[in-house]
Amino acid sequence: GDSVTQMEGPVTLSEEAFLTINCTYTATGYPSLFWYVQYPGEGLQLLLKATKADDKGSNKGFEATYRKETTSFHLEKGSVQVSDSAVYFCALSESNTGNQFYFGTGTSLTVIP
Amino acid sequence: NAGVTQTPKFRILKIGQSMTLQCTQDMNHNYMYWYRQDPGMGLKLIYYSVGAGITDKGEVPNGYNVSRSTTEDFPLRLELAAPSQTSVYFCASSLGLGGQPQHFGDGTRLSIL
Repeated sequence: GDSVTQMEGPVTLSEEAFLTINCTYTATGYPSLFWYVQYPGEGLQLLLKATKADDKGSNKGFEATYRKETTSFHLEKGSVQVSDSAVYFCALSESNTGNQFYFGTGTSLTVIP
Repeated sequence: NAGVTQTPKFRILKIGQSMTLQCTQDMNHNYMYWYRQDPGMGLKLIYYSVGAGITDKGEVPNGYNVSRSTTEDFPLRLELAAPSQTSVYFCASSLGLGGQPQHFGDGTRLSIL
């Protein structure tokens, strides 16, 4: 079945450091891939998405490229800020499974000044 | 632009009590979902609906019931609350088309004592 595996946290970085959060997936068809962000006490918010191979999603300085050959969708940011401290979830969906989403377990990021 | 609205935000129940978690969306989305998120964990799908009058079980449906009488509303019912149901509950909705994201409410924090 479909699944998402993302790197375990917690991750602690200094402000302006480079961020990578790894995400790999298993899917039976051609999924769409997403990154969500969850700030403390809030629901999940869509950060970026990619719907086909080689697409790059980007938002707020974050980027992720849909790599079909390595079944990966790693999240990157060149210079993190304290305000980026949150939990990040990788997810996939396939239209042939009723648009069900499969979420990774989340990676907690703390950015220190 | 309200999006997905969940009520209540917090609730404490005694073992054996029942309650309904409310969820409504104003985006005319056909697909709606209920998840639970345990501390430090990812999301687990409880139930989902692909349209009014149609519901189906997710990964962890035991102890819960749902109904979908309108496009807008998707309430989640706990009949006999148990300590294992202490969690944060998220409702989400989507257009249900390939590549479309899920939109989340802010969650209901439920404690069973």
